[in-house]
Amino acid sequence: DAKTTQPPSMDCAEGRAANLPCNHSTISGNEYVYWYRQIHSQGPQYIIHGLKNNETNEMASLIITEDRKSSTLILPHATLRDTAVYYCIVRVANSGYALNFGKGTSLLVTP
Amino acid sequence: DAGVIQSPRHEVTEMGQEVTLRCKPISGHDYLFWYRQTMMRGLELLIYFNNNVPIDDSGMPEDRFSAKMPNASFSTLKIQPSEPRDSAVYFCASSGTDNEQFFGPGTRLTVL
Repeated sequence: DAKTTQPPSMDCAEGRAANLPCNHSTISGNEYVYWYRQIHSQGPQYIIHGLKNNETNEMASLIITEDRKSSTLILPHATLRDTAVYYCIVRVANSGYALNFGKGTSLLVTP
Repeated sequence: DAGVIQSPRHEVTEMGQEVTLRCKPISGHDYLFWYRQTMMRGLELLIYFNNNVPIDDSGMPEDRFSAKMPNASFSTLKIQPSEPRDSAVYFCASSGTDNEQFFGPGTRLTVL
């Protein structure tokens, strides 16, 4: 799987958009970008994934650059409950592949 | 669906004792994963199963660790004998055809 690089920590004010960047310059053509998050003391939770088009669901939006070497996860209106570690993972889209978690970005949403 | 169920949620044991962690995946999911999380190493895959068959156990640290999946609704991770360095949170996850992995709440293991 391609290696990803994320900032170790970020802050965001409650109600504002949180933009979490991820670099994956060695991504292969058949690899997707996945985002998971882990709230303290809980198991990781799937957020969203995409190949090359921007994606949006009820939780977040995923913006992937045209060359696919980087992406941004956007939480449009961050709440205190969004405080968590966010992991950007690149892998082939197949259930048989495990997730290679890196260190992620620790997002702190402040009142 | 109740999601992935793990038991016990917390386990405290003494060095040398056998520890068994249990997992019930989401019904219909044919992949099951065991992960371990520590401060030093983060989240790392130990082993995963497909249709109850172990596919990749390269992450299992040593022979003291073993995992089984006797049927589609149950898996165990056993450590025998346990050591203090095995202290960690152990997560079980399952997935089906939608590629999303669903994680259980984890078992926090402390080996004294």
